[in-house]
Amino acid sequence: NAGVTQTPKFRVLKTGQSMTLLCAQDMNHEYMYWYRQDPGMGLRLIHYSVGEGTTAKGEVPDGYNVSRLKKQNFLLGLESAAPSQTSVYFCASSTRYRQETYEQYFGPGTRLTVT
Amino acid sequence: SQQGEEDPQALSIQEGENATMNCSYKTSINNLQWYRQNSGRGLVHLILIRSNEREKHSGRLRVTLDTSKKSSSLLITASRAADTASYFCATQQGFAGGGADGLTFGKGTHLIIQP
Repeated sequence: NAGVTQTPKFRVLKTGQSMTLLCAQDMNHEYMYWYRQDPGMGLRLIHYSVGEGTTAKGEVPDGYNVSRLKKQNFLLGLESAAPSQTSVYFCASSTRYRQETYEQYFGPGTRLTVT
Repeated sequence: SQQGEEDPQALSIQEGENATMNCSYKTSINNLQWYRQNSGRGLVHLILIRSNEREKHSGRLRVTLDTSKKSSSLLITASRAADTASYFCATQQGFAGGGADGLTFGKGTHLIIQP
C-alpha cells in the first residue's frame, strides 16, 4: 500500500499562474482533505470531501478550487496564484463512522513557492 | 481559527527524561488526536482519545483528556533522540457544535531531545 501520495513534491509558480495538485489514496477512504501549513502554524483546512462528487469549504478556501471525480483522487487547483499562497500543502484521508472522524493519514506534502 | 493550542511552544529535554505537552481547546469535541511531524514530512497519527475517555496509553505515550477543563496532555516517557519532532493536537468538534468534518489543529509543540 502506498497510502497517500501527492504530486508534485515541489513547485515554483509566478504570480497569476495556475496549477493543480494531485492527491491519491489507496485505502478506500471516504473522506479526503486539503490543508496548508505555514511557518510556525498548525494545519488549516482548505477544502474537504465526504465522498466522490462532493466537496465542501474549510477554514481558508478562498483562491482554491477542488474536485473529487474518483473516490481515490482529490485535486486542489490554484487558478491565479498569489504570493500569499506560498505554503506547504498536505493532503489527508480518513474513514468515518457516523459523526466521528477517525485518524487521518497524511501525504508527504507539496512545497509551493509563488514569486 | 485554531481550536487547539499547545503548550509549551518549544521543549528541550535530555534523552531518557519524560516530555509533557499540553493542549487546550474551546468547543465541545467528539475526539482529540495527537500527531507527530518530523521536519519536512507529513503528519503521523499517534493516538486518539474519545470525549468519554479520560486516559489512554500506547507504548511510551500516555494521553489524558479533561473535558471539564477542555484540555489534554501528551506524555512521552523515556524519551529518545528519534522523538525529536513537532507534536500537534487536533480536535474533531461535536455535532452539536456544528463543527466541520475536518480536524482543527493547534500550532504545535516543537520537542528537541538532547542526546
